[in-house]
Amino acid sequence: DGGITQSPKYLFRKEGQNVTLSCEQNLNHDAMYWYRQDPGQGLRLIYYSQIVNDFQKGDIAEGYSVSREKKESFPLTVTSAQKNPTAFYLCASSALAGDSGQYFGPGTRLTVT
Amino acid sequence: QKEVEQNSGPLSVPEGAIASLNCTYSDRGSQSFFWYRQYSGKSPELIMFIYSNGDKEDGRFTAQLNKASQYVSLLIRDSQPSDSATYLCAVNPYSGGGADGLTFGKGTHLIIQP
Repeated sequence: DGGITQSPKYLFRKEGQNVTLSCEQNLNHDAMYWYRQDPGQGLRLIYYSQIVNDFQKGDIAEGYSVSREKKESFPLTVTSAQKNPTAFYLCASSALAGDSGQYFGPGTRLTVT
Repeated sequence: QKEVEQNSGPLSVPEGAIASLNCTYSDRGSQSFFWYRQYSGKSPELIMFIYSNGDKEDGRFTAQLNKASQYVSLLIRDSQPSDSATYLCAVNPYSGGGADGLTFGKGTHLIIQP
């Protein structure tokens, strides 16, 4: 089955701790993305990557970090510097060319107390 | 600042009727447009994309694009209770899947009344 997996589905952390969210895809997509969704809000872009070992900041990158060591994987670290980390985090991937769209994983719901 | 505007709703439509969802965008150079469906607590699911002016039909769904008016819409024919969800409009300045990520509207909450 081709698709995008994210783990864990739910994550609880204490304030001040860093946490890493996993995202893996087997769609052979070049581009991967991280978005954040807050209640009643649209999705906001955190980071994206078009190629291995390269990534760019999105609209709300402060307090987050990413890596892209493999084409299939794009983990996101939520650091203690992120002021409001509690949110629904969504990973997506897409082809870079041709008629396509971004396809989302099931998401990770992070709660920081 | 690129913006995508949608009426938040809720939009209530009787079962079997046509649901019409609208979206406007600010970046005149935008090239590709996407509609996602999101059920409560779930991730967005891509249902339609359109690049050219005019209509694009896929089953019960029709996407309509008017670049001159910076307007894109989604029509759902023969609405079913299972269509009840939040519909997100997304815009990309590039053709294809989007090298730099999509700009999303906040979504329209659609309720299909049995």
